[in-house]
Order: sequence, then structure tokens, then C-alpha cells
Amino acid sequence: DTAVSQTPKYLVTQMGNDKSIKCEQNLGHDTMYWYKQDSKKFLKIMFSYNNKELIINETVPNRFSPKSPDKAHLNLHINSLELGDSAVYFCASSQAAGGTYEQYFGPGTRLTVT
Amino acid sequence: GESVGLHLPTLSVQEGDNSIINCAYSNSASDYFIWYKQESGKGPQFIIDIRSNMDKRQGQRVTVLLNKTVKHLSLQIAATQPGDSAVYFCAENSGTYKYIFGTGTRLKVLA
Repeated sequence: DTAVSQTPKYLVTQMGNDKSIKCEQNLGHDTMYWYKQDSKKFLKIMFSYNNKELIINETVPNRFSPKSPDKAHLNLHINSLELGDSAVYFCASSQAAGGTYEQYFGPGTRLTVT
Repeated sequence: GESVGLHLPTLSVQEGDNSIINCAYSNSASDYFIWYKQESGKGPQFIIDIRSNMDKRQGQRVTVLLNKTVKHLSLQIAATQPGDSAVYFCAENSGTYKYIFGTGTRLKVLA
């Protein structure tokens, strides 16, 4: 069974469109995250949710809106896509929020905006 | 600002040799560190972690060293194998809920 899953794995779309990426974890974890990895492999946290509550928003443009319907899911909706949004987006989860919990990452969603 | 950086973007190692991947961090208040391995097309995978009250921790074929005096972290891989080829990241816990990742080092294992 996949611990953290994301759909779709690949997403190709045009500028200006709206798209969503879904994430699910079956580990029973309380905390979920979204990361963006650019073409140089740099990983940067975007959002973190703990028990469905937003706890980190790293000055991400308002076009990005995370939604957590329950503890097992954290979806990412992106409005008015721009070329600079092209990247690999990773969902992750950890047992709890806080500094000593290992994060489990999903396989990533490669978003290409043309 | 806070940052976690790596000295060597690419490291080439002969199969069977030991690998050492380095990481510098800037936040002296960070108290938890993780090394991740990312293979091509996959998400980062936990390798080993260390807390700031330790200076060394060993796993299977891997050892993490922490030098708080110079804010330096290293990952040692013994008897490097082709399957070790990947990008390696260090991450520090900076604040209660946030991790900051380093820029990554690509490890290439030469046959």
C-alpha cells in the first residue's frame, strides 16, 4: 500500500488555467505538507496543515489554495497558472507537527505550464 | 536569512569507496536534522536523523555527524553501491513546524 499518494503524476496545462493536485496519506498522520521543487532540485515548503488547520503558509501567492477535507487528505488548487509555476510538487505527512517527526513524501506531481 | 547549504553539488565516488556529503546550516537554534535521499522520479526518502544533543548517529551503512560549533552536518555512506546514486538533502528544523532543505548533492557511483 502506498503511504502517501498524489494524483496526477504529470500535469500539462496552459497559462491561465486552473488545476488541482490531490494528496492522500494512509499513515494516520496528523500533519500534511506541500512542497515545491524547482528545476534545480531546490525543495521549499509551501503549506502545512495540522489536524486540518493551516499552520504554515510560506508567502505563497494567493493563487495557491490548499484544502484539507479531513486529516488524510490535503489538496492543492492553483488558479490562473503561470509559467513560473512549472515544478514538481510534493505532498508529505508526518505523525505530528513539531521538530522531531520524520516526513514521508509522496511520489510528486510534475506540473508543466505552457 | 535562514539557510541550509551544501558545499558540493555533485559528488562522484568509486563503487565500494566511502562517500561523505556535507551540509552547512545557519540557524544555531535548529535542534533536529534529517538526511533524505531522492532517487530520480521519486519523492525524498528518510535516511537518518539526528538531534542537537548528539554529535553522531549510525544507521545501516550510514553515519551522520553533527558539529554544532561550526554548524556543520555530514552524511557518511560506507561501501557505496550503485543503488546509492541519488540526490541527497539535509534538512533542519527551523521553528516548530517548518523544515528548511539544503540545495542537494548529487551522488554518482562509478562502476
